[in-house]
Amino acid sequence: GENVEQHPSTLSVQEGDSAVIKCTYSDSASNYFPWYKQELGKGPQLIIDIRSNVGEKKDQRIAVTLNKTAKHFSLHITETQPEDSAVYFCAASKDDKIIFGKGTRLHILP
Amino acid sequence: NAGVMQNPRHLVRRRGQEARLRCSPMKGHSHVYWYRQLPEEGLKFMVYLQKENIIDESGMPKERFSAEFPKEGPSILRIQQVVRGDSAAYFCASSPGQGSPLHFGNGTRLTVT
Repeated sequence: GENVEQHPSTLSVQEGDSAVIKCTYSDSASNYFPWYKQELGKGPQLIIDIRSNVGEKKDQRIAVTLNKTAKHFSLHITETQPEDSAVYFCAASKDDKIIFGKGTRLHILP
Repeated sequence: NAGVMQNPRHLVRRRGQEARLRCSPMKGHSHVYWYRQLPEEGLKFMVYLQKENIIDESGMPKERFSAEFPKEGPSILRIQQVVRGDSAAYFCASSPGQGSPLHFGNGTRLTVT
């Protein structure tokens, strides 16, 4: 079955700098790649997603890139702010079964 | 439009008791998923259901765990004869159909004493 690896597990960046989180997946048939943000005590919330027919997608300060050949996808957050501090999960999906990475805890330093 | 509702938020059970976790999907959503999250770990897929059908239960332990999504009412995740290792946060998510994003509830935190 699908396996999703996510790096790094923890990331600290200065406020205003950029943060990049990287994921790889194993099943070349996966065709949907969402990213979720989880704050303490809450459920994950979708922040951006990309499908396999697209290489890049941007929404304000957040962008996601997908390299299907290498089976890599990445989340980029620019101009980070304190409210970006959270745990971020990447995921890969085929046939509606969504498999998550183990998460990245992002700390935004003042 | 209410989101995915899970209850209870916190559940404490003694070893050997039964735990029943409920999930009401968003209005109009017919697909329900259950995930388990251990502290400092990711979300582990357990089961995917549509109304009255289990579509994929490959992540469910073979014993003691069961899930249902009846025609009427919430989806139920049932854990019989709980053990300490069942302590975790259990998240439910729903979607309107194939290829749609998942919307998560705020989870049920199960503690087995």
